[in-house]
Amino acid sequence: QQQVKQSPQSLIVQKGGISIINCAYENTAFDYFPWYQQFPGKGPALLIAIRPDVSEKKEGRFTISFNKSAKQFSLHIMDSQPGDSATYFCAAGGATSGTYKYIFGTGTRLKVLA
Amino acid sequence: DSGVTQTPKHLITATGQRVTLRCSPRSGDLSVYWYQQSLDQGLQFLIQYYNGEERAKGNILERFSAQQFPDLHSELNLSSLELGDSALYFCASSVSPGGDSPLHFGNGTRLTVT
Repeated sequence: QQQVKQSPQSLIVQKGGISIINCAYENTAFDYFPWYQQFPGKGPALLIAIRPDVSEKKEGRFTISFNKSAKQFSLHIMDSQPGDSATYFCAAGGATSGTYKYIFGTGTRLKVLA
Repeated sequence: DSGVTQTPKHLITATGQRVTLRCSPRSGDLSVYWYQQSLDQGLQFLIQYYNGEERAKGNILERFSAQQFPDLHSELNLSSLELGDSALYFCASSVSPGGDSPLHFGNGTRLTVT
């Protein structure tokens, strides 16, 4: 119940294409869903986040779609660029056993071809 | 730059040894989290501190321990090291322990156990 399942494990997209990464969770106590971007040799950096009271959030070329009933959320990268090549992690945050915890997906390695 | 500082960047040591990883959180952040990232793995939560007190424990081995000091910096101590402990160790900080403030990650310490 604490898992966040992320897919695909890796993704190759042509420049200008749309990159889509999916995540699913089970614990309904989760109330915060961030996405992190990680470049080699760096720590994960917060990219965009959503709360379950909205179904979509857009920031520039990055959009989170959230389906509360299906317990799924996804990251869409529009007009993907070679500079977007990185590993992307979804996460879910929520209070369990009296403390607030963040559970991360296993990551998606995105490569955008020039 | 996330504002979270981790030292050292790299650490190479032998099996059976003990090491200390250090983390300085962002200015104003009271909560510190430690995560382990093994090769091609996601971020495994180890432990969380808030304002000097342990807040939550994840999959932290008994050989590992941590603390947060009055100046809010944190140290992760790894002892009786095994080859399987080789990984990237990330520290993250947030203003509060709840979900109203996102995690900000440092650039990690890469530990290699030989």
